[in-house]
Amino acid sequence: DAGVIQSPRHEVTEMGQEVTLRCKPISGHNSLFWYRQTMMRGLELLIYFNNNVPIDDSGMPEDRFSAKMPNASFSTLKIQPSEPRDSAVYFCASSSHRDGTQYFGPGTRLTVL
Amino acid sequence: GENVEQHPSTLSVQEGDSAVIKCTYSDSASNYFPWYKQELGKGPQLIIDIRSNVGEKKDQRIAVTLNKTAKHFSLHITETQPEDSAVYFCAAKDSNYQLIWGAGTKLIIKP
Repeated sequence: DAGVIQSPRHEVTEMGQEVTLRCKPISGHNSLFWYRQTMMRGLELLIYFNNNVPIDDSGMPEDRFSAKMPNASFSTLKIQPSEPRDSAVYFCASSSHRDGTQYFGPGTRLTVL
Repeated sequence: GENVEQHPSTLSVQEGDSAVIKCTYSDSASNYFPWYKQELGKGPQLIIDIRSNVGEKKDQRIAVTLNKTAKHFSLHITETQPEDSAVYFCAAKDSNYQLIWGAGTKLIIKP
């Protein structure tokens, strides 16, 4: 298996623009997690899905952030409108069940100017 | 809710020496404690984990110990090598099945 796939790997955008990050989990995994990593706040869980259903989105910073999982092999994290403080590395991870080992993708480095 | 504290934030050791990273947790119901290694430009990768029904687990040069009474667990790396240089994260799985992460330890192996 290719592991968790994320795209794009790098994204540079201007404040106010919409940003969409994409994730393909490992085939057969039924839990998917979105994390944000910054030097100041470390690794933060934004939202996680179980069987394509959002279970806990309490980590989503504000309404500008939204996440979807239309099927078992694809998820998106959208920021609209983006702000400079959203600059971070965003990771997607998947696991075979909600209490299993999480496997991380390579991350998307987002820079909002 | 669960809170995980990790120390030290930076650890510098001579190649060949041992390195120890310590974490404490607050929720006595937590029962799963993984350790992840994050290399520059990559996502965290699981290196070892331990469940609350055991006190120690080893995998070659890496070992993890768990003290449930004191609510702390530690990562031990022996005979450190340059490729061990990375950021290491501990985590604890809380009663909601979420991983609560430590702040990370930057391990530097000096040649």
